[in-house]
Amino acid sequence: AQKVTQAQTEISVVEKEDVTLDCVYETRDTTYYLFWYKQPPSGELVFLIRRNSFDEQNEISGRYSWNFQKSTSSFNFTITASQVVDSAVYFCALSEGFNTNAGKSTFGDGTTLTVKP
Amino acid sequence: NAGVTQTPKFRVLKTGQSMTLLCAQDMNHEYMYWYRQDPGMGLRLIHYSVGEGTTAKGEVPDGYNVSRLKKQNFLLGLESAAPSQTSVYFCASRLETSTDTQYFGPGTRLTVL
Repeated sequence: AQKVTQAQTEISVVEKEDVTLDCVYETRDTTYYLFWYKQPPSGELVFLIRRNSFDEQNEISGRYSWNFQKSTSSFNFTITASQVVDSAVYFCALSEGFNTNAGKSTFGDGTTLTVKP
Repeated sequence: NAGVTQTPKFRVLKTGQSMTLLCAQDMNHEYMYWYRQDPGMGLRLIHYSVGEGTTAKGEVPDGYNVSRLKKQNFLLGLESAAPSQTSVYFCASRLETSTDTQYFGPGTRLTVL
């Protein structure tokens, strides 16, 4: 069975601080995908990134960066120079076994990030 | 191209009432999913479909039924609503290939009194 753990329930930072959101996953599959989604106060889910299990390269997109480490089963998300607009709930998710599991996703419980001005 | 749409956006039911939530996608996606999101929790899969005419149970299927009579539509039914079904419901769809991302609808906020 797959599982995603986001140990940080809530994080509060002051604007311009860097912040890292942790995600630890469990899976028996060798082929799987990891995702991060943002859910702003308006409630919609915004896709941020997808990473497959064979690609451990870190990725940077503007102020966002992701660190994928298979050795520790972690897929952490860092926001550099945080802004008030980054305030949201962030979800990490795992999908495995596309051919046998219909690409079903398991979500973590989310981390609520509050960025204060 | 509207993406994934959900109808209605909000609904209040009394215990025992029934209703159907509609999810529609115009991207010709094969896979469709219904999730529920409860306060302080992530999304949990209720039911899903891998193509027109197919449905399967997810993690929390009890109390819900689904149908996928047309490829573009995925209906979620509550036959006898209970307060425990108060939640935000999200629909998602995905193209068939394994590299594809799920596209989410805007959500339906359901309250059962």
